[in-house]
Amino acid sequence: AQTVTQSQPEMSVQEAETVTLSCTYDTSESNYYLFWYKQPPSRQMILVIRQEAYKQQNATENRFSVNFQKAAKSFSLKISDSQLGDTAMYFCAFMKPVTGANSKLTFGKGITLSVRP
Amino acid sequence: KAGVTQTPRYLIKTRGQQVTLSCSPISGHRSVSWYQQTPGQGLQFLFEYFSETQRNKGNFPGRFSGRQFSNSRSEMNVSTLELGDSALYLCASSLKQTGANVLTFGAGSRLTVL
Repeated sequence: AQTVTQSQPEMSVQEAETVTLSCTYDTSESNYYLFWYKQPPSRQMILVIRQEAYKQQNATENRFSVNFQKAAKSFSLKISDSQLGDTAMYFCAFMKPVTGANSKLTFGKGITLSVRP
Repeated sequence: KAGVTQTPRYLIKTRGQQVTLSCSPISGHRSVSWYQQTPGQGLQFLFEYFSETQRNKGNFPGRFSGRQFSNSRSEMNVSTLELGDSALYLCASSLKQTGANVLTFGAGSRLTVL
């Protein structure tokens, strides 16, 4: 079974600064997908970024980028130029591709990020 | 286009009752999955449906069940409610069943069991 660990329960960052959220996972699979989801106070889960394990290049989406270290089973999220709207709970998630069934995400416990004005 | 719609948004039940939650996926999405979110256990996968068939199931008791209709809308049912079933129930839909499947989540149904 896969496990996802987010060891930092809370973090705080000043607006416009950079913050990195950590995530480690454990799996025996060689092919899988990793995601970061954001859940603001409205509770709506929003995809931030995704990474295919077979791709060595780290994914980037505007101010969000990841540092994917496959050998170390580490998948951290870097948020640059933090904005007040980034205040949310962030979940790291793992997906093992299964033929005909590809919607099972294994989530970490999440980290609450607060952006200070 | 409209997002994933979950109804009802909030509901209160008492122990022993049953509840049905509904999820309408994004138009064109045929895969629907359900998750339970609690402060203690976090986000846990319940089940997944595609083309009206359950494709995957999480580690939950048989009191938790679901189904999907021909229009891809899905319902989940919890029978004989327990206090521990109080949670935010999230539904997600997706377009495909292969690859880096991106799930789009609804706003959730918050269930309180008294």
